[in-house]
Amino acid sequence: AQSVSQHNHHVILSEAASLELGCNYSYGGTVNLFWYVQYPGQHLQLLLKYFSGDPLVKGIKGFEAEFIKSKFSFNLRKPSVQWSDTAEYFCAAKNTGTASKLTFGTGTRLQVTL
Amino acid sequence: NAGVTQTPKFQVLKTGQSMTLQCAQDMNHEYMSWYRQDPGMGLRLIHYSVGAGITDQGEVPNGYNVSRSTTEDFPLRLLSAAPSQTSVYFCASSKGYNEQFFGPGTRLTVL
Repeated sequence: AQSVSQHNHHVILSEAASLELGCNYSYGGTVNLFWYVQYPGQHLQLLLKYFSGDPLVKGIKGFEAEFIKSKFSFNLRKPSVQWSDTAEYFCAAKNTGTASKLTFGTGTRLQVTL
Repeated sequence: NAGVTQTPKFQVLKTGQSMTLQCAQDMNHEYMSWYRQDPGMGLRLIHYSVGAGITDQGEVPNGYNVSRSTTEDFPLRLLSAAPSQTSVYFCASSKGYNEQFFGPGTRLTVL
């Protein structure tokens, strides 16, 4: 069965610390991968996406992610977090060539302290 | 563009009541989806549509109905609300095989 796993459920970091959130997927065939962010009380917003090409993807707000096919991973990174990055982060995947059947991980709650 | 809009923002129902959650998008997206978000479970797909007149079930469709009579609208109907349907509901849309855009959500409580 198709699945997306996020092993970090709750991460607490101090401002300026580096961030890496893990995401692993289990999918047959080729996949498209996404990271979404949900700030408190708000809807999901796209941080970045991988469809093909360069496996290192840069997104908004200084976030990046690396697609490692051999490890079935798509980890999210940021060199220096800010208090405003406090949010919940969701990794998601779908088969290439499909649209609506997006599978989400359970999410990682990031808390950044001053 | 307003993007994806959802109404209402909050709703409280009694067990057994029915209601419709509204979703609309003005981006001419052919794909629309409904998800529910529950603590510790991420988002789970309820129903989706690949175009007007075409709908299909997702991961957790029981207790919900959908229809798609126009490209813009994709309402979600709860036939007989149950406490297990207490959740936050998100509607999303996408163009082709691109990323999905999400609405602001509806927080539903079933007593």
